[in-house]
Parts: sequence; C-alpha cells; structure tokens
Amino acid sequence: AQTVTQSQPEMSVQEAETVTLSCTYDTSESDYYLFWYKQPPSRQMILVIRQEAYKQQNATENRFSVNFQKAAKSFSLKISDSQLGDAAMYFCAYTTGLYKYIFGTGTRLKVLA
Amino acid sequence: GAGVSQSPRYKVAKRGQDVALRCDPISGHVSLFWYQQALGQGPEFLTYFQNEAQLDKSGLPSDRFFAERPEGSVSTLKIQRTQQEDSAVYLCASSGAGGGTEAFFGQGTRLTVV
Repeated sequence: AQTVTQSQPEMSVQEAETVTLSCTYDTSESDYYLFWYKQPPSRQMILVIRQEAYKQQNATENRFSVNFQKAAKSFSLKISDSQLGDAAMYFCAYTTGLYKYIFGTGTRLKVLA
Repeated sequence: GAGVSQSPRYKVAKRGQDVALRCDPISGHVSLFWYQQALGQGPEFLTYFQNEAQLDKSGLPSDRFFAERPEGSVSTLKIQRTQQEDSAVYLCASSGAGGGTEAFFGQGTRLTVV
C-alpha cells in the first residue's frame, strides 16, 4: 500500500530565512505525481508545487522548490525568503494519477518575525 | 463557479442525528473526492466519483456514511445516526481529467457531534 510520511510535526523559521520540509513515500509504482499543499487556518488546501515522477528536473515555483529523489522516495520542499504568510500546515501528497490522493500527517510551519 | 464550494461551513449535530454535507465542484470537473480530516491529521480518503459514478467508496468508515452525485455535478455526503467519532472536517475536492492534475479543495465543513 502506498504511504506518505512527514516526520516533522512542526518547524520554525525566521522571516527571510530558508526552511526545508521533509516527505518520504512508499510505492511500487513507477509513474506517479507528488504534491505539496498548504493549509492555512481557513482550512482551504492550496497547491504549492507539483512534481511528475518521470521528470528528473526538480519543480520550482517562485520561492518554493523541491528536492525529488526518486530512488530514495524522498520529496522535500524548500521555502526560500520565508514570509509571514507562509505560516500554515503543509501536506505532502501522492497520487498515481487515477484518482486517490494520499496525504501525509502534515508539518506545521511557524514563521518568526 | 470559480472554486469548490461546500456548505455548511460549520455543523453541530446531536449524537444520533442525520446530517447532509454539500459540495459544489468547479464547473466541468469530472472527478470529485471526499476526504475526512481529523484534528491535527492529514486528510483521509473517503470516496471518489467520476461524473455520477461512484468508483471507489473504500474509505467510508461505516454503512452510516453515504455519498451521491446524481447528475455528475453537486455531491452530498450523508452521515446517519452521527457519533462523536464522526467529528472532523469534511473536505471536498474536484479535478479535471486524470493524469495527476491538481485537485482543487473547498474550505470544508467542520462537523461537531455533541
């Protein structure tokens, strides 16, 4: 069965600094998709970044980038120049693309002014 | 609509009461998902629709949970005879064609069973 593990329940970062959130997953599939979602107190899950497993190049979206290590089944999120608005729960998610998204337990990110 | 809309945003139910939670997905989205999110946890899959067909309901925790999407757009998640352990946020998401496209989430319904 596919699983997604986030081993950091909570992380803190100083404003303008860089932080990395960890995610590992387990799957026997070769084709799949990985996501990082942000969930602020409003509860709305917002897509931060997406990575296709068949792509070797790491995805980047402005201040957000990933380190995708397929062999190690690792998918970490790096947030550069952290801003107060980045404070939220961050969830790593996996899907084979058929339908079911499997989520990790989340990492709460605190940004310190 | 512009986004996924869920109603109500908050629901307090007495134990044993039936509840119905509504999800209005993004227009044209084929796929619709329901997730249950307990406090401090990640979303757990409940069920999936492709148009009006419920293709997977393996995540529904008991036969008290029932979901439908009769016309392939709006979906309703119904919980009969609510129990305290049903207290959670229920998230709905929709997406377009397959291939790992982004799932767009609603703001969820927070259900509290007292």
